[in-house]
Order: sequence, then structure tokens, then C-alpha cells
Amino acid sequence: AQSVTQLGSHVSVSEGALVLLRCNYSSSVPPYLFWYVQYPNQGLQLLLKYTSAATLVKGINGFEAEFKKSETSFHLTKPSAHMSDAAEYFCAVRPPCASKLTFGTGTRLQVTL
Amino acid sequence: ETGVTQTPRHLVMGMTNKKSLKCEQHLGHNAMYWYKQSAKKPLELMFVYSLEERVENNSVPSRFSPECPNSSHLFLHLHTLQPEDSALYLCASSSLAGEETQYFGPGTRLLVL
Repeated sequence: AQSVTQLGSHVSVSEGALVLLRCNYSSSVPPYLFWYVQYPNQGLQLLLKYTSAATLVKGINGFEAEFKKSETSFHLTKPSAHMSDAAEYFCAVRPPCASKLTFGTGTRLQVTL
Repeated sequence: ETGVTQTPRHLVMGMTNKKSLKCEQHLGHNAMYWYKQSAKKPLELMFVYSLEERVENNSVPSRFSPECPNSSHLFLHLHTLQPEDSALYLCASSSLAGEETQYFGPGTRLLVL
């Protein structure tokens, strides 16, 4: 069984500041991990994924995430926030050979001037 | 037209109505998914179809009935729904069931009165 915990349902940062969205996972097998972004009135868009290759994964829009097995974490970061980054972000996990993605409850990112 | 499309984008129905949600993917994928997104809850996988056969059903009530006539189309037939079924229903597709990257449609916002 697998699960995902996203700490902080709301995160607010200033434009230009570091973005850090936290995700911790629990999985009985080495997992595949994903970050998705959902803009208002839109579906989910894949930001990046970890599938057992490099532990530091770079995604779209300047985001990256690092898989840390010892901490069971896959936190999402971006060095400098932009107003257009305001959205809801979902972390997800699934075993390598299964179809079911298990999602976290999401973190809403607010970017202020 | 490319990607995953869903119609209608918004739907209001009474508890005695029968309606259908439609999903269409133009990506040549062989697996399609229905998810339910409720406020403050993680995304819930409802159904998975691979090569037009249902391979996973996460104990969804029978008032939700999926139909997959071909690999490009997926329907979700709704009847005698309850107000708690009000949510955003998202369709997704992937190359194969278990393929790590799922592509999502914009969703149908459903309100049951």
C-alpha cells in the first residue's frame, strides 16, 4: 500500500522568493513519484516525475524535486516564485507496475507582490 | 484538436436525472481513467480501462456506470446521484495502464441538487 502526505494545505510566498512544497510518501515497494499542478478551472498537468533514475528531477517552469529515500520525501522547489506559479500542487505516488496513482490532498500556492 | 477533452465542462442535475459525461483523447493512448476530485480530499481513482476493458474499479457505487466503446472515448453515465456526488470529475489517459505519465482533461464540474 502507498500513501502521500502533503504538509501545509496553503503556502504563501513573495514573488522572487524560494518555493518549497513538502511531500512525504509511504510505500511498500520502491515508488514512482509525481508532482502535478492544477490551475483554476483546469485539469492536472504533470510537472515532473521520479521513476528510479536520477534522484534530482527537473521539471517544467523551473521546478525541481529531490527524491530522498532516507527521509521518504519528494519535496518540490523553485528558486524564485513568479505570479504565474499560483495554483494547486499535488504530489502522487504509485508502484512501478500498477496503474493506480495515489494523490495527496494538495497544497495551494499563493504568490504575493 | 489534441490532448484530452471533456464535455460538458459544467453540469447541474437533479437526483432523479440521467446524464453522461464524455471524455475523448487524441493521443493514441490505450488506457483511460476516471477520477473524482472533491474539495479538501485527495483525488480518488474511480475506474481504469486498458485496451477498452475495465481493469480496475475502486468500489464505486453503481449509480456511476462507465462505458468505453473504443480506446479514444470514455463515458461516465450518471443516474440517481446524491448531493455528495457533487465534485469535479477528471478524465485521464496514458499509453498503457501503468504508464507513469497520465494526461488529464480539464474536468466536468458536477452539481447535484
